[in-house]
Amino acid sequence: GQQLNQSPQSMFIQEGEDVSMNCTSSSIFNTWLWYKQDPGEGPVLLIALYKAGELTSNGRLTAQFGITRKDSFLNISASIPSDVGIYFCAGPLYSGGGADGLTFGKGTHLIIQP
Amino acid sequence: DGGITQSPKYLFRKEGQNVTLSCEQNLNHDAMYWYRQDPGQGLRLIYYSQIVNDFQKGDIAEGYSVSREKKESFPLTVTSAQKNPTAFYLCASSFLPQETQYFGPGTRLLVL
Repeated sequence: GQQLNQSPQSMFIQEGEDVSMNCTSSSIFNTWLWYKQDPGEGPVLLIALYKAGELTSNGRLTAQFGITRKDSFLNISASIPSDVGIYFCAGPLYSGGGADGLTFGKGTHLIIQP
Repeated sequence: DGGITQSPKYLFRKEGQNVTLSCEQNLNHDAMYWYRQDPGQGLRLIYYSQIVNDFQKGDIAEGYSVSREKKESFPLTVTSAQKNPTAFYLCASSFLPQETQYFGPGTRLLVL
């Protein structure tokens, strides 16, 4: 299956700061998904991207589908304590599409210092 | 209250024992999926099913088995052949042909 490289692995930031993380692949993706996972819970879908160059917002979160179709970015503006958690990017595991399952990056662990 | 439920929250397995993890959804989703998550890692696909009475292996299917007798249910059995079963198991579902998947709360399996 296809693999994703996500960075940074962890981030230590002050409350109120903006956050940026990214995900890259060696192959072309037709869909990029961003999830957030709290400790001991299942991932929650934040943003779904379906078109190269697409920029989509969800409140303070903004994600972009890279123009090369091999990367995606997630930005969080004015971070607050409840933003703490692990953020995962995901895309189709196989070239046939995500209905056959997803592949995930290893996650970016966001830690916010008050 | 619509959603995906997994039970139990925690499960303990003895050596050589098979255990079954439950996953139920009332979202009328077509497809269901099982993923495994190890500490510091992303999720890896074990099995998936797009239609009742049919399922496909994912990347790490060895030592696991599934069934899909009803649209809303997709139980996962961790067999004694799975040598390293300790992990967090997540069930997901989606409408077809959509690629966005929604996850349950997970079951943590520990080996005694």
